[in-house]
Amino acid sequence: EVQLVESGGGLVQPGGSLRLSCAASRFTFSTYWMTWVRQAPGKGLEWVATINQGGSDKYYMDSVRGRFTISRDNGKSSLYLQMNSLRAEDTGVYYCARDVGDRWGQGTLITVSP
Amino acid sequence: EIVMTQSPATLSVSPGERVTLSCRTSQSVSTSLAWFQQKPGQAPRLLISAASSRATDLPARFSGSGSGTEFTLTISSLQSEDFAVYYCQQYNNWPWTFGQGTKVEIK
Repeated sequence: EVQLVESGGGLVQPGGSLRLSCAASRFTFSTYWMTWVRQAPGKGLEWVATINQGGSDKYYMDSVRGRFTISRDNGKSSLYLQMNSLRAEDTGVYYCARDVGDRWGQGTLITVSP
Repeated sequence: EIVMTQSPATLSVSPGERVTLSCRTSQSVSTSLAWFQQKPGQAPRLLISAASSRATDLPARFSGSGSGTEFTLTISSLQSEDFAVYYCQQYNNWPWTFGQGTKVEIK
C-alpha cells in the first residue's frame, strides 16, 4: 500500500525556519507530481505548493511564495518543504499528498508562536 | 485565483437519506475538480476526481457530476461512516483552491 510519512514539524518562533520532509514508499515516486496542503486548527484545507515529477516546475500559493520552497529527491523518494520567515498564520497541520490528492500522509503539526 | 463556494455549510441528515452537496467555482474549471472527505483527526480522503471519476474502492453510493462552474457530490443513501466534512478542490488553474467545506452531521 502507498505510504507517505511526514516529519519535521514542531514549535518555532515567528521569523524562524523549519524543513518538512515526506518519505514516500510503495509507489514509483519519480513519476508523480507531489503537493503540500495545510490545515489551520479548526479550519479548512489550504493548498500550499506543488512540484512536478522532475522538480523543474514549482507552484505556490501567494502568501508563501518567496518564503517557502518545495523540492524533491527522487533518488530518496522524498518530498521537502523549506519554510522560512514563519508567521503565526502558518500554524497548522501540513500534509503531503500525491498528485491531486489520491494519497495523503498523516500530517505534521507546525506551531508558530513566541 | 478561482474562488470555490460550497453549499450548504452544514447539512443535518438522517442515515439512509439522499444527500446532495454543491460546489460552485468563480470561473470554469472544465472537469478538473475533486471531492475529498475528512473525518476528525484524519487526513483527507479522495472520493472523486475529474468531476465524476470515483476513487478506487469507493462505495457506489458516492457519485460526482458537473462541469464548468457547477458541481455536485451525491451520496445516495447516507451511512453512519459518511458523517464527515466534504471539500471540493479545483486543479485546473494555479493556485489550486479548496472550497470551505460542507459538514454532514447526524440529524
